[in-house]
Amino acid sequence: AQSVTQPDIHITVSEGASLELRCNYSYGATPYLFWYVQSPGQGLQLLLKYFSGDTLVQGIKGFEAEFKRSQSSFNLRKPSVHWSDAAEYFCAVGLYNFNKFYFGSGTKLNVKP
Amino acid sequence: DTAVSQTPKYLVTQMGNDKSIKCEQNLGHDTMYWYKQDSKKFLKIMFSYNNKELIINETVPNRFSPKSPDKAHLNLHINSLELGDSAVYFCASSHRDTGANVLTFGAGSRLTVL
Repeated sequence: AQSVTQPDIHITVSEGASLELRCNYSYGATPYLFWYVQSPGQGLQLLLKYFSGDTLVQGIKGFEAEFKRSQSSFNLRKPSVHWSDAAEYFCAVGLYNFNKFYFGSGTKLNVKP
Repeated sequence: DTAVSQTPKYLVTQMGNDKSIKCEQNLGHDTMYWYKQDSKKFLKIMFSYNNKELIINETVPNRFSPKSPDKAHLNLHINSLELGDSAVYFCASSHRDTGANVLTFGAGSRLTVL
């Protein structure tokens, strides 16, 4: 069965520090991978996606993610975190043509001044 | 111009009541979804419609009944509300293409059952 694991429930980083949020997936074929961000009281906004090609993908707000097939991972990174990045981050797997998306349980990011 | 809009944003009601949440998208997408986000932020798909046809119906109590009058609208009606129905319900839409889709979410409807 498909699953998405985000091992870190909470992460706290200082403003200006680098960030890496982990995501692992379980799926039989090459998945379509996404990172979404949810600010308090808001819906989910797409940060970036991976469908195929270059395994390092760039997204909005200075985020990037790298697909590593051998590790079944799609970790999200940002070189320098801003206080406005404090939010909940969700990794998701999409299945080809089946319109199903599986979400991880989310990682809450706190940013210290 | 809100891409996916849901109403109401907040809903507080008593157990046993019936309530509806409405969703509309102006993106020209052909597929719409309802997701439930529980208190631990876990997102679970409930239903999906493609061109008004139900294509995903996860294990959801039959007190929940979706309805899609056209491909731009997907409503959710809940009968006999229970405490465990308290959650944030997100509507989303996507365009079914030859590859994977990208979900666009509404802002959510927070349902509180007392």
